[in-house]
Amino acid sequence: DIQMTQSPSSLSASVGDRVTITCQASQDIGNYLNWYQQKPGKAPKLLIYDASILETGVPSRFSGSGSGTDFTFTINSLQPQDIATYFCQQYDHLPRTFGPGTKVNIK
Amino acid sequence: QVQLVQSGAEVKKPGSSVKVSCKASGGTISSYAISWVRQAPGQGLEWMGGIIPMFGTKKYAQKFQGRVTITADESTSTAYMDLSSLRFEDTAVYYCARGLERFAYWGQGTLVTVSS
Repeated sequence: DIQMTQSPSSLSASVGDRVTITCQASQDIGNYLNWYQQKPGKAPKLLIYDASILETGVPSRFSGSGSGTDFTFTINSLQPQDIATYFCQQYDHLPRTFGPGTKVNIK
Repeated sequence: QVQLVQSGAEVKKPGSSVKVSCKASGGTISSYAISWVRQAPGQGLEWMGGIIPMFGTKKYAQKFQGRVTITADESTSTAYMDLSSLRFEDTAVYYCARGLERFAYWGQGTLVTVSS
C-alpha cells in the first residue's frame, strides 16, 4: 500500500496568515492526489483534485501544488471558517490511502 | 445535485454483521462508482472498497478482504456495505462517497458501534 504522511500534525495560525501543509507519498504517484477539509461531525469536503485543480465552488485562497512524492497545500489568508482537519489522499494505486490529517486552529 | 443518504446508526455485538445502505438521489447510481470510507473515533480516513454498478466491478482493500461485501441495487439507486465478523475496533463512522478516485460527494455518515 502507498503510505501517505503529512506535516505538521497540527498548527495554530492567526487570521490572515498563510498556512502550508505538506504531504509525502511513499512512492511516485504523479499528480494523483486530492485534498479534503473535514470539520467536526461532518463528512470530508473535496477542495483540490489532481494535486492543483480547485474543486468548483471552493474559495481561491486554497491552492495545491506538487507531483511525484511531494505535495503542498496552502491557505493564502486563513479565515475563521477554515478551522478544520485537512487530509491528502492518493488515487494512483489501490487501495486508496489518506494522510493522517493536519488539524488547523486559530491562534 | 447529487445527494447520498445513509441508513441510521447501529449497535452490534462482536462477531455479528452490519449492513449500511447509501441511497443516491439526483442521478442514477449506475452512472458512477461508490466507495466506502470509514473513520474510527478521533482517527483518520480509511478506504474500504468500492463498486462500479454499471460494470459490476468491485474493488476491496486487502485489509478488509473476506469480511466486507459491497453491492448495489440499480433499481433503487442504493449501494450497500456489509461488514462481517465485527470486532471492537470496527467501531467507526462509515461513509459512502461517489467515485473511486476523487470523492466529491459524501453521505452523512453512519455510526457503527461494536459493543458487548
